[in-house]
Amino acid sequence: RKEVEQDPGPFNVPEGATVAFNCTYSNSASQSFFWYRQDCRKEPKLLMSVYSSGNEDGRFTAQLNRASQYISLLIRDSKLSDSATYLCVVNNAGTASKLTFGTGTRLQVTL
Amino acid sequence: GAGVSQSPSNKVTEKGKDVELRCDPISGHTALYWYRQRLGQGLEFLIYFQGNSAPDKSGLPSDRFSAERTGGSVSTLTIQRTQQEDSAVYLCASSLSPSGSYEQYFGPGTRLTVT
Repeated sequence: RKEVEQDPGPFNVPEGATVAFNCTYSNSASQSFFWYRQDCRKEPKLLMSVYSSGNEDGRFTAQLNRASQYISLLIRDSKLSDSATYLCVVNNAGTASKLTFGTGTRLQVTL
Repeated sequence: GAGVSQSPSNKVTEKGKDVELRCDPISGHTALYWYRQRLGQGLEFLIYFQGNSAPDKSGLPSDRFSAERTGGSVSTLTIQRTQQEDSAVYLCASSLSPSGSYEQYFGPGTRLTVT
């Protein structure tokens, strides 16, 4: 089983739609969680950290479910500019140096 | 301020040749990471440097891969006797702290093609 698993998509949604991605992780001792965004042929950039209590940043909401070992990302009122690959990222206890990246979920927002 | 820079941006090399990839982290960032991303795949961790500590080399795929970080700043990733499966984008990232709670800032990557 992969350490971090994501549905590769693509998710094709119209502008204005709400879309949600889930990600599961295998190590119950994982400590830190993030969503990164990667545009085509570009480097990944941090979108948001994921906190135990859940957190929101504008149209983006991240949730963590430790019991079920998954994190989610909700995007409301999708924009064309949201089209990208969203990477689920986990930092495991005892490996402070290493982030483990999922393979990403591709989102395509259309007119 | 300046972000993470990498050079060259593209490198085409013949199978069996050695290549050197360079990374300049953000000034003041103590942690530096190398990742590999094959086409359509996720990021694979290769190696991590933090200050004067011994690097975490646990992700290096073979002894053909090595990396150095001189003076706690610039890093070079060397691939010896390149193989076609080495073709990928090699990404460097730096962060303020190795704790994992600080954002990793990525460079634009070096696209390596082994023919």
